[in-house]
Amino acid sequence: NAGVTQTPKFQVLKTGQSMTLQCAQDMNHNSMYWYRQDPGMGLRLIYYSASEGTTDKGEVPNGYNVSRLNKREFSLRLESAAPSQTSVYFCASSEVWWPPNNEQFFGPGTRLTVL
Amino acid sequence: SQQGEEDPQALSIQEGENATMNCSYKTSINNLQWYRQNSGRGLVHLILIRSNEREKHSGRLRVTLDTSKKSSSLLITASRAADTASYFCATDGVNQAGTALIFGKGTTLSVSS
Repeated sequence: NAGVTQTPKFQVLKTGQSMTLQCAQDMNHNSMYWYRQDPGMGLRLIYYSASEGTTDKGEVPNGYNVSRLNKREFSLRLESAAPSQTSVYFCASSEVWWPPNNEQFFGPGTRLTVL
Repeated sequence: SQQGEEDPQALSIQEGENATMNCSYKTSINNLQWYRQNSGRGLVHLILIRSNEREKHSGRLRVTLDTSKKSSSLLITASRAADTASYFCATDGVNQAGTALIFGKGTTLSVSS
């Protein structure tokens, strides 16, 4: 069991470039999440997918799009990267989205720098 | 829309000492979770305590919850160097549309040998 995997681990982009962050889980979880973590800000939810076929905005969705490709995979796309999107991005999964009385499993993160 | 706020922001102790971290939150919750994050890694779930529970134990971890004060504490007994990490509380976003778990900013624990 690999748990939650993310690619790439590191990425440097120039302002205006686009990229897709990939995430996959092998725990047969229904729900998946994308967070960003900035110094002093904790984790903030960007988008989530409560179940296959659905996606919804979280706290900070501007500048991002997501795709729930299938039950295993949930990708995050930056269409036109901005320096403000420099952050560490974490993908997570859980059995269900609501009620949130189950643990979330996190991937190792992607460290993104936008110049 | 931070719900949980950890205190202190940073804590330095010696191996063998106990470490206590606190979490305060603003609105009613159904449950509260604690997570650990080692440097450069993802978060790992430690323990979940429900709103009708007052105390819960898991190995060297003890979590308390006081819903009247809207606060929780995480106690790590007999700390080890391997406990060096950041610790986050997470509350369910009962009143936060689109947010299942709301994480605090974390307490950074440093355990020296």
